[in-house]
Order: sequence, then structure tokens, then C-alpha cells
Amino acid sequence: GNSVTQMEGPVTLSEEAFLTINCTYTATGYPSLFWYVQYPGEGLQLLLKATKADDKGSNKGFEATYRKETTSFHLEKGSVQVSDSAVYFCALSDLRASARQLTFGSGTQLTVLP
Amino acid sequence: NAGVTQTPKFQVLKTGQSMTLQCAQDMNHEYMSWYRQDPGMGLRLIHYSVGAGITDQGEVPNGYNVSRSTTEDFPLRLLSAAPSQTSVYFCASSRDTSNQPQHFGDGTRLSIL
Repeated sequence: GNSVTQMEGPVTLSEEAFLTINCTYTATGYPSLFWYVQYPGEGLQLLLKATKADDKGSNKGFEATYRKETTSFHLEKGSVQVSDSAVYFCALSDLRASARQLTFGSGTQLTVLP
Repeated sequence: NAGVTQTPKFQVLKTGQSMTLQCAQDMNHEYMSWYRQDPGMGLRLIHYSVGAGITDQGEVPNGYNVSRSTTEDFPLRLLSAAPSQTSVYFCASSRDTSNQPQHFGDGTRLSIL
């Protein structure tokens, strides 16, 4: 079956530090890959996505590249801000599945200190 | 824009009670789903629907029931609440194309005593 393994948290960084959150996946089909962000007290919001190998998703300074050879989709940001403090979820959607179920990683709590 | 609306935001139940978590979307999305979020486990799919009148089980369906009589609404019913169902529940929807992202509601925090 499909699975997503995500870097254990919590992660605490100082403002303007470089961020990497690792994500690897296992899928039997041809998945699309997503990063969702959850701010305190809110639902999940799509941060970025990539639908095929070597695609790079980007949004709000965050980037992630779909690496089929290493089955990875690591999230990076060059300079984090206090407002980036949230929980980040890596997820995949198997295009061959009869329904577009999202398989989520366990989430990584990020705290950015001023 | 309302998007996906969940009610209530918080609820406390006693073991054995039943209740319905409401979910409504105003985007004319065909696909809707319910997830539960537990610490250290990400989100797990409970039930989903690919259109009005069609529902199916997800990863953790036991103890829950759903129906989809309209495109807009997708209620989740707890038949006889158990402490193991204490969780945060999220409803999501998306258009009927495979690469479209899902839109999430703000969640319902449910405690079973």
C-alpha cells in the first residue's frame, strides 16, 4: 500500500534560518505529491504540489522537488519567518486509485523564534 | 467565500451517546471526505464520497456512518461514541479531477468521556 514517512518533529529554528523537512514515500502507482500546512486552530491548507517526476512545487518561498529516484519530496525554505510556525504535512494521492484518497505523513511541528 | 464549513467546532459527549458532525461545501465539489487527526498519526481517512448518493469506506470506518443526499452536504454520524473516538475531525472536498487539491474545513474537536 501507499505510505508517507515524514521527518520527526518538533523543529525549532531562529528567524531567517534555512528549513528542510524530509519526506519520503512508498506508492504502487503514480502519485501526486503535496505539502499541506496547518496553522493553530485551523484546517489544512495546500502549500504546494507536484504531479510528476522532477516537477518543482513552490509557494510563499517554500519549494519541494518530486524525486522519483529517491522517492522523496523534501520541503525547503531559504529564510523562515515567525509566521511560518505551523504543522507541515507531506501527502500523496495515487492517481490509479478509484478515489483520490490522500495518504498523510505524521506531520512536523515547526516553531520559528524571533 | 465560505468553502468547507464544519459544525460544531467543539463537542463533548458521554460514552454511548450518538451525534452528527455536519459538513457543507459551496464549491460544487463532487468529492468529499472525512478524516480524523490524532497526535503523531497524521490524518486518516474515515469515509469518502465521489458524488451524491455514493459513499465508501476509508482506512478507519468502524463506528462511523455517512450519507450523501446532496452535493453540498456530507454529515458524519457517530453511532455510539467511545473514548477511542476522541479526536479532531476534518471534512474535505475537491473537484472531480485527479490532480486537484482538497479543501479542508477548520475541524471539529470531539471529546468522549
